[in-house]
Amino acid sequence: GGIITQTPKFLIGQEGQKLTLKCQQNFNHDTMYWYRQDSGKGLRLIYYSITENDLQKGDLSEGYDASREKKSSFSLTVTSAQKNEMAVFLCASSISGGAVAEQFFGPGTRLTVL
Amino acid sequence: AQKVIQVWSTTSRQEGEKLTLDCSYKTSQVLYHLFWYKHLLSGEMVLLIRQMPSTIAIERSGRYSVVFQKSRKSISLVISTLQPDDSGKYFCALWELAASSGQKLVFGQGTILKVYL
Repeated sequence: GGIITQTPKFLIGQEGQKLTLKCQQNFNHDTMYWYRQDSGKGLRLIYYSITENDLQKGDLSEGYDASREKKSSFSLTVTSAQKNEMAVFLCASSISGGAVAEQFFGPGTRLTVL
Repeated sequence: AQKVIQVWSTTSRQEGEKLTLDCSYKTSQVLYHLFWYKHLLSGEMVLLIRQMPSTIAIERSGRYSVVFQKSRKSISLVISTLQPDDSGKYFCALWELAASSGQKLVFGQGTILKVYL
């Protein structure tokens, strides 16, 4: 078994602030993902990475940067937080990016922007 | 246009009841997979069912099953004998083999289920 950890669990920021969310997995999975979940909406893919140092844009990449410096970690940066923004950011990983690979999710980081 | 549609945003049921959560999807691809995930209140996301067009690949629990109607592009999650621990948010998701979609899942908006005693 393995685990995905996300830090911090709760993140409160100010408008315009640059905020970084971190994700670690010990599954030795190749592919990692960042999703954003807003109330009333499904998960939307922000970025994913199929291997170390690889980055692929998802549907919601504008306003975000990502970094995959190690196989086990994938960080997401909100480049300029928007006021009244509230969402849960979920990190996931899978053995490969294909459909046969189950995605395992972390517990999420809840973002609030004041 | 939304590719994965879950009609209910929230629903409540009594313990012991049977519940069907509906999901419809849009795809023109031959190869695709469908998933049902449960998002727990703790934040954990658990895969419940994976459905390929012809088979069921993963079933997490005997109380979870699906009604898959390929021609109608519909996959419903059925939970029998509801328990309070079934409370949570349920997501339907689609993966399709297409150059444009790459290696990503498209999720529905989710259905919040509350099970009361």
